[in-house]
Amino acid sequence: NAGVMQNPRHLVRRRGQEARLRCSPMKGHSHVYWYRQLPEEGLKFMVYLQKENIIDESGMPKERFSAEFPKEGPSILRIQQVVRGDSAAYFCASSRGTEQFFGPGTRLTVL
Amino acid sequence: QKEVEQNSGPLSVPEGAIASLNCTYSDRGSQSFFWYRQYSGKSPELIMFIYSNGDKEDGRFTAQLNKASQYVSLLIRDSQPSDSATYLCAVGFNAGGTSYGKLTFGQGTILTVHP
Repeated sequence: NAGVMQNPRHLVRRRGQEARLRCSPMKGHSHVYWYRQLPEEGLKFMVYLQKENIIDESGMPKERFSAEFPKEGPSILRIQQVVRGDSAAYFCASSRGTEQFFGPGTRLTVL
Repeated sequence: QKEVEQNSGPLSVPEGAIASLNCTYSDRGSQSFFWYRQYSGKSPELIMFIYSNGDKEDGRFTAQLNKASQYVSLLIRDSQPSDSATYLCAVGFNAGGTSYGKLTFGQGTILTVHP
């Protein structure tokens, strides 16, 4: 059973560009979460989605960030007009119940 | 006050010893408690979860929960150098047996097990 998949694993963007991060949950998991880990900081919750629904986006920055989990295909975290402060590791996790399992992450570097 | 606090590290123990990792949380409504291990440059890996007061054992790992004191701990017996990692405590809600979603993480404790 494949684990949570994320791509790309590394992403380099210049300031002002857009970043798209993808996450495919584990088979049978319908809950997807995105977390961000800034250098030397802990994991911070961003958003919780189920298919076609955003359940909790209390951790999402108000501007430039959006997330979706369409009926078909992976969940997408989109960051518009990236700034250097967006450089971080972005982790996706999925669950069927309470336990969340993390993907390998996408390391975003903004030049 | 941070929502989830872990004992400040780094923690260094000799091989074969017991490593004790502690975590306190501020929200009394918290219902689910997790320990993740994160190796440098890698993603968090779930190692233990506990929902009820008391102890829960899984191999060399024991999680302890005391809701009255808002305290959860992780004991690692017979520590090995391969246990050297950052240990993250996470707290969540569990409504009706289904996932509520949001986990709140502590800042992590770095554990080093030296031969």
